[in-house]
Amino acid sequence: EVQLVESGGGLVQPGGSLRLSCAASGFALSRFDLHWVRQATGKGLEWVSAIGIVGDTYYSGSVKGRFTISRDEAKNSLYLQMNSLRAEDTAVYYCTRDSQGKDVWGKGTTVIVSA
Amino acid sequence: DIVMTQSPLSLPVTPGEPASMSCRSNQSLLHSNGYTFLDWYRQKPGQSPQVLIYLGSNRASGVPDRFSGSGSGTDFTLKISRVEAEDVGVYYCMQALQTPITFGQGTRLDIK
Repeated sequence: EVQLVESGGGLVQPGGSLRLSCAASGFALSRFDLHWVRQATGKGLEWVSAIGIVGDTYYSGSVKGRFTISRDEAKNSLYLQMNSLRAEDTAVYYCTRDSQGKDVWGKGTTVIVSA
Repeated sequence: DIVMTQSPLSLPVTPGEPASMSCRSNQSLLHSNGYTFLDWYRQKPGQSPQVLIYLGSNRASGVPDRFSGSGSGTDFTLKISRVEAEDVGVYYCMQALQTPITFGQGTRLDIK
């Protein structure tokens, strides 16, 4: 079964760091562009970051310089290193792949930034 | 950044009736390769988003043919020919022409 499973979320103080993971099964991550999308409670979808097949990376303006996206082909996993976290980063973080649209999504992992 | 604007924000529909929602971008989503980088997603309550339509008018795998996407340039429409109870949720359009990828604010479809 093709699926993505996120992990690594939790409660962190402002200014702290977290590393999110997204494990893929049923397909090779390396063959797809991959994205992180987040959603604050009761709000809409917000694109965060992407990594291309050749390793090119992209970030939203609100996270650029603080977040780093990466991929480990051996572990078939996607990561999001989040530093200097702010209250406004509180959200459910989804990983998703590009195929015919963003066709596979994980269930998300929750990040709460609070003192 | 490309701004995506959806309307209406709330759409109450009677089961069996059609539904239509609009999405507009503040610049054309037509790429030089001829593709239009506009997708539609539905997020059912408590679930992850699901792709319905990609590249403007292509129905995603497993999506019923009740759903259709149309439009070009900056104006796009998602239509449901006959709404079913399972269609409740928030519908988002999304442009993937350029980063940052941006979503519309969503249209919430409810059953009357």
